[in-house]
Amino acid sequence: GEDVEQSLFLSVREGDSSVINCTYTDSSSTYLYWYKQEPGAGLQLLTYIFSNMDMKQDQRLTVLLNKKDKHLSLRIADTQTGDSAIYFCAESPNTNAGKSTFGDGTTLTVKP
Amino acid sequence: DTAVSQTPKYLVTQMGNDKSIKCEQNLGHDTMYWYKQDSKKFLKIMFSYNNKELIINETVPNRFSPKSPDKAHLNLHINSLELGDSAVYFCASSQPGGVGEQYFGPGTRLTVT
Repeated sequence: GEDVEQSLFLSVREGDSSVINCTYTDSSSTYLYWYKQEPGAGLQLLTYIFSNMDMKQDQRLTVLLNKKDKHLSLRIADTQTGDSAIYFCAESPNTNAGKSTFGDGTTLTVKP
Repeated sequence: DTAVSQTPKYLVTQMGNDKSIKCEQNLGHDTMYWYKQDSKKFLKIMFSYNNKELIINETVPNRFSPKSPDKAHLNLHINSLELGDSAVYFCASSQPGGVGEQYFGPGTRLTVT
């Protein structure tokens, strides 16, 4: 079946850039997503990228997709303490089918 | 207005009891989900319904029974609760097609003692 893998922890200093990496196995992935989960809350979509794109930038967030290597990354520029959260990578091969496969989440800790 | 709501937010109960968690979405979505997030924060899909029909049923004990009275509601009933059922349960919804973004509820923290 489909698999999505991420490293579990990342710690950075405030003001540095954070890079969270994800690999996936499903070559038919159509959409790839980054969700953010703050403490005590549900997941919220942060950004997504369509599989025919290499890069997407949205303010401090940059998503890079290497489809050949099935590798997705999320870069957060000028990381702030408010960025401390769990970041989940997810993929969906067919949004009509309604199923996304989620990674195990990367806990980002931002130190002042 | 809350998009996806769940009740209760916290649920503490004893082993062997039966409990239900309710979920409602006001987004007009056709698809709803239940996820279980364990103490390590790993997120596992349990069930998915599309227009009141079960479309995803992962390997979940049959003590867990979802019920969808209409496409805006998906409830989760758990029989004979066990210690290992302690987790945070998230409801989510999405609309087929498009980006496929899922909207999550705030979660229900279930503690079985």
